[in-house]
Amino acid sequence: AQSVTQLGSHVSVSEGALVLLRCNYSSSVPPYLFWYVQYPNQGLQFLLKYTTGATLVKGINGFEDEFKKSETSFHLTKPSAHMSDAAEYFCAVSLGDSSYKLIFGSGTRLLVRP
Amino acid sequence: GAGVSQSPRYKVAKRGRDVALRCDPISGHVSLFWYQQALGQGPEFLTYFQNEAQLDKSGLPSDRFFAERPEGSVSTLKIQRTQQEDSAVYLCASSFRDRDEKLFFGSGTQLSVL
Repeated sequence: AQSVTQLGSHVSVSEGALVLLRCNYSSSVPPYLFWYVQYPNQGLQFLLKYTTGATLVKGINGFEDEFKKSETSFHLTKPSAHMSDAAEYFCAVSLGDSSYKLIFGSGTRLLVRP
Repeated sequence: GAGVSQSPRYKVAKRGRDVALRCDPISGHVSLFWYQQALGQGPEFLTYFQNEAQLDKSGLPSDRFFAERPEGSVSTLKIQRTQQEDSAVYLCASSFRDRDEKLFFGSGTQLSVL
């Protein structure tokens, strides 16, 4: 069965530092890849979607996704963290036959220190 | 409304009682999803509607779970004879098109079964 693993339940960075959130998946066929973000007391918000053929995808709020097919991983990055980036980030995948069904990782909580 | 609305925000139920959770999707959105999110975990797919048709209910944990969307807009997730393991946040999401992977999530209903 398809599985998604987020590396690190908590990541802490200083304001202005690089943000790197890691996600691995298990699939013989590259799935569709997504990142969602959840701010406190809010619903999950779409951040970005990986498009087939691209290795780098730009999302909202300065976030980018880097896809590494050989490693079955995709990572969310942002060059400079802002206090407002503090939230929980979920990666998700979906497969072609059931592309409407998202399989989520367990989430990584990003803490930004002043 | 501007977003996906779920009610109630919190629900406490005695074990064995029935509960009904409501979701108002964004107006005009064709697809509607229910996900279950246990504490410390990512959301897990429960069921999917395209307009009023329930196209996939493979994620419903047992026959105690039932979802409907009779007029293709508002949806209700019903859980009969609630058990403690049903305690979780139930998330509703909608999208504009069929199989449009950009989902808009509600804030969820937190169900606690005592």
